Amino acid sequence: ETGVTQTPRHLVMGMTNKKSLKCEQHLGHNAMYWYKQSAKKPLELMFVYSLEERVENNSVPSRFSPECPNSSHLFLHLHTLQPEDSALYLCASSEAGGLGNTDTQYFGPGTRLTVL
Amino acid sequence: SQKIEQNSEALNIQEGKTATLTCNYTNYSPAYLQWYRQDPGRGPVFLLLIRENEKEKRKERLKVTFDTTLKQSLFHITASQPADSATYLCALDMAGAGSYQLTFGKGTKLSVIP
Repeated sequence: ETGVTQTPRHLVMGMTNKKSLKCEQHLGHNAMYWYKQSAKKPLELMFVYSLEERVENNSVPSRFSPECPNSSHLFLHLHTLQPEDSALYLCASSEAGGLGNTDTQYFGPGTRLTVL
Repeated sequence: SQKIEQNSEALNIQEGKTATLTCNYTNYSPAYLQWYRQDPGRGPVFLLLIRENEKEKRKERLKVTFDTTLKQSLFHITASQPADSATYLCALDMAGAGSYQLTFGKGTKLSVIP
């Protein structure tokens, strides 16, 4: 529907597990983003990639590790998470033309993560 | 510090009336402002963008205003319908004029009652 897909849609993991979230965009965009959305809080920007290079890391704990192998794919590797990391993780993409660009972001459906 | 406030967490409105949602920001002058709609369990969907030099933008039953003096945007849905029930988010380019990084408000959950 939006051209951005995410898998899995739901994930339950223990604190000692390692898992990965996957995002794929079919829109030909140059920038991709990971956001965290918790109840009653605004969307929190976690990572930004532009042309496959990380341009922003908003002080995210190292237990979250992003990977962007090409402009269409984005991963978020998870290890030794905490229960407070339970949230909806959203991927987005945009054209990212630089200064003066009014980047509309296109979101995927999200992965609902529960950490036990 | 920079701040975005959507001052109603929830808004209930009767079908057919006009819904008005507010987005206020402080300590910044964004180049543009965007509104998104988010349904439960889904990602936000872009609705409208308004630039700093525009006062008003319309799209079908939607209207957005942008007052850079008041540092406020108003989002109106006229002739509201139950299908308009969703959470509406405003977003600004707080990182820098024309940057591609958006900062979002917490959102206003709109319920249109039949």
